[in-house]
Amino acid sequence: DAKTTQPPSMDCAEGRAANLPCNHSTISGNEYVYWYRQIHSQGPQYIIHGLKNNETNEMASLIITEDRKSSTLILPHATLRDTAVYYCIVRFGSRYGNKLVFGAGTILRVKS
Amino acid sequence: GAVVSQHPSWVICKSGTSVKIECRSLDFQATTMFWYRQFPKQSLMLMATSNEGSKATYEQGVEKDKFLINHASLTLSTLTVTSAHPEDSSFYICSVSDRGQWNTEAFFGQGTRLTVV
Repeated sequence: DAKTTQPPSMDCAEGRAANLPCNHSTISGNEYVYWYRQIHSQGPQYIIHGLKNNETNEMASLIITEDRKSSTLILPHATLRDTAVYYCIVRFGSRYGNKLVFGAGTILRVKS
Repeated sequence: GAVVSQHPSWVICKSGTSVKIECRSLDFQATTMFWYRQFPKQSLMLMATSNEGSKATYEQGVEKDKFLINHASLTLSTLTVTSAHPEDSSFYICSVSDRGQWNTEAFFGQGTRLTVV
């Protein structure tokens, strides 16, 4: 079972920041939060991941709450090409191997 | 990131035949590979995990005799759909990772669209 909860869909205006929330209230201490996105009929694309500190890269920022029970992915200036399904995933630790289990994700629609 | 290539990108086969899908890690030694299946408008469903040189571990409900996985080298894994039927039509995606590491990203292939007629 997926260990995350995401809203099914969100809209964002082009050029504005897109903030995608994720709840992972049962996360364990050594489990990382990963974000991937999938554009129609393509393989998932890695965006960012983190453990407890906020992370930023050229694509996005990841804000993780202090209790680690939720996080937010921020696309600072959304473009039409950012329209995709965004998946928040808690990656299982060594007891389960290192597999990524996908939930339903959030459909982000960026509109002009 | 690592480059993962799947072949073919799409395939159409007749019911009852077998289809082999290749997943190659072009610049990364993939000690672990994952195979996913995705039906239209649904999320990715993990089918199995394979570690190089050992038998694959299948997720509950996935028939190991129908979906044969071979991971003989650090750069190649294959998924064979045996005696394919129309209900096996789906988007199959592989992913590569470093065994035992859950703090590094996994990389995905571009997927293979299988249509069984």
